[in-house]
Amino acid sequence: DGGITQSPKYLFRKEGQNVTLSCEQNLNHDAMYWYRQDPGQGLRLIYYSQIVNDFQKGDIAEGYSVSREKKESFPLTVTSAQKNPTAFYLCASSIHSETYEQYFGPGTRLTVT
Amino acid sequence: QQQVKQSPQSLIVQKGGISIINCAYENTAFDYFPWYQQFPGKGPALLIAIRPDVSEKKEGRFTISFNKSAKQFSLHIMDSQPGDSATYFCAASEMNFGNEKLTFGTGTRLTIIP
Repeated sequence: DGGITQSPKYLFRKEGQNVTLSCEQNLNHDAMYWYRQDPGQGLRLIYYSQIVNDFQKGDIAEGYSVSREKKESFPLTVTSAQKNPTAFYLCASSIHSETYEQYFGPGTRLTVT
Repeated sequence: QQQVKQSPQSLIVQKGGISIINCAYENTAFDYFPWYQQFPGKGPALLIAIRPDVSEKKEGRFTISFNKSAKQFSLHIMDSQPGDSATYFCAASEMNFGNEKLTFGTGTRLTIIP
């Protein structure tokens, strides 16, 4: 099956700890994205990467970090500097084409207490 | 700065009725307007999309209407069914090759009642 996998589905951490969310795709897509979803605020872009070893900040990058060492993997680290990390995190990927369709993973719900 | 404004925030429609969700954008460089559908606990999935060279696009019961001069676009769901109950997001993008960032609206939670 081709698609995007995010693990784990639920993640719990204590305040002050860094945590890394996994995102893997086997669609051979060039671009990958991380979004944060909060109730009433839609999807906000955290980071995106168009090619391996390159990534750009989105609208709310503060307190987050990413890496893109392999085409199929784009892990997101939520650092202790992120003031309000509890949220639903979505990873997506897309292929450079006319449709610009982004394919989303099932998401990881992170709870920090 | 919110570049895509979506309304209403929530919508209740009777089965068989028409559901209408509206979006407005500010950036005149946007030239790709998709709608995504999201069920609880899942990631969004592309429902239908339109380019500004047409005023309407229909796929089954789903229609996008686009008004370029007003910078508005809307999703119409005809003969709404309980299975359509989900959160819908409009989005917009500039179609720059290699820079396909989407700007999303805040979402509309649609509930179809029997």
